[in-house]
Formats: sequence, structure tokens, C-alpha cells
Amino acid sequence: EAGVTQFPSHSVIEKGQTVTLRCDPISGHDNLYWYRRVMGKEIKFLLHFVKESKQDESGMPNNRFLAERTGGTYSTLKVQPAELEDSGVYFCASSQDGTSGNLSPYNEQFFGPGTRLTVL
Amino acid sequence: TQLLEQSPQFLSIQEGENLTVYCNSSSVFSSLQWYRQEPGEGPVLLVTVVTGGEVKKLKRLTFQFGDARKDSSLHITAAQPGDTGLYLCAGTGTASKLTFGTGTRLQVTL
Repeated sequence: EAGVTQFPSHSVIEKGQTVTLRCDPISGHDNLYWYRRVMGKEIKFLLHFVKESKQDESGMPNNRFLAERTGGTYSTLKVQPAELEDSGVYFCASSQDGTSGNLSPYNEQFFGPGTRLTVL
Repeated sequence: TQLLEQSPQFLSIQEGENLTVYCNSSSVFSSLQWYRQEPGEGPVLLVTVVTGGEVKKLKRLTFQFGDARKDSSLHITAAQPGDTGLYLCAGTGTASKLTFGTGTRLQVTL
């Protein structure tokens, strides 16, 4: 079974440019999460999709970040325009629990390898 | 805001030694998970604990969830170089999003 994949693995852009990160979750996983680690800090939650719907976007830093999951399969996270403080590693995770109102106590999330974003 | 503090931040030990990593919070968590992360990879789940006082063993690793579900510990017996990595605790509350700890970087030398 293929794991969570993310593309690209690295991205170096200049301040003010746009970058789009992609995440392909494990097939059949309804839940998709985006997290971010900025240098020296802990991994922090950005948002959570259940299928194509945004369940929780409380961690999104500002309106320069736009996440989509059209069709409930892969997801994209666009940063526009990028700022220096957006640099970090962006992780995607997926979990199987299929019903938004039925929280699995285990909530086992499987993580992708991350995209390292550097904004110069 | 739920916070998870891990200690120690860094740990360098020799092969064969025992160690314990702590994960503490003032908040109650529904579940707590331990992950290990290697450079260039995402966190990989080691274990999930959900019941206060629960103890789980994974070979030489022993995980415990505090009675009040606010803290957890990871104990490694007879550490080996293959145990080297970044250990992360993460908890869930009423929502399924994970709150990660600050991490413990372990290095085991021969």
C-alpha cells in the first residue's frame, strides 16, 4: 500500500512569489491534514479536510494560505504571496476515520515526507 | 491552547543505556501518540495510548499515559544506535488534530 506522498520535496522561491504544494493521501483515507514546522518550533496544525470539506482551518496563519481538496482525493496548499516567515517544512497526513462526526479515539494519522519550503 | 512540553530536548547516550523521555501538559488529552522522525522523512507512528494509566510495550520501548491523561513517558531499555532519531509526542483533544510536543532528539553511540 502506497503511503502519503508530497510534491515537491523541496521548493526555493523568492518573497512575493506563489508556491503550490501537493499531497496525495493514502487511498481511501477521508481525513487529510496539513501541518507545518518552522525552524526551531514544534509541528503545528494548519487545517483538516474530511473528504472535500474543510472540517477545521483554525491553524491557517492568514489569508495568504489557500488549501483545496477538490473531489476529496489529493489536496493542494497554495501560498500567495510567500513571505520569509513561511519558510519551513509542510507535512501532510491522512487517516481513515470516515465520518466527521465519529471521531476515532485512535486517530492514527500517517504522515508524508514533507515539503521543505524556503522563501528568500 | 494545549501545549506539550517534552524533556529532555537532547539526549546523547551510549549503546546499552536506558533512558526516559517525558511529555507533559496542563491539558487533558483524549489520546496521546508517540512518533519517531528521521531526517528528510515525516513522523512515523510508534504507539497510541488512550486510557489513563495505560502502559504499552513495543519491544524495548515502554510507553505510559498518565492517570490524568495530561502526561506521558517513553522509556527505552538498552538503547541501540538504531534508536537514534527525533521522538515526538502528540495529543488529541475533542478534535482530531494533533498537538505536537517540542521533540526530543536522541543520539545513541557505540
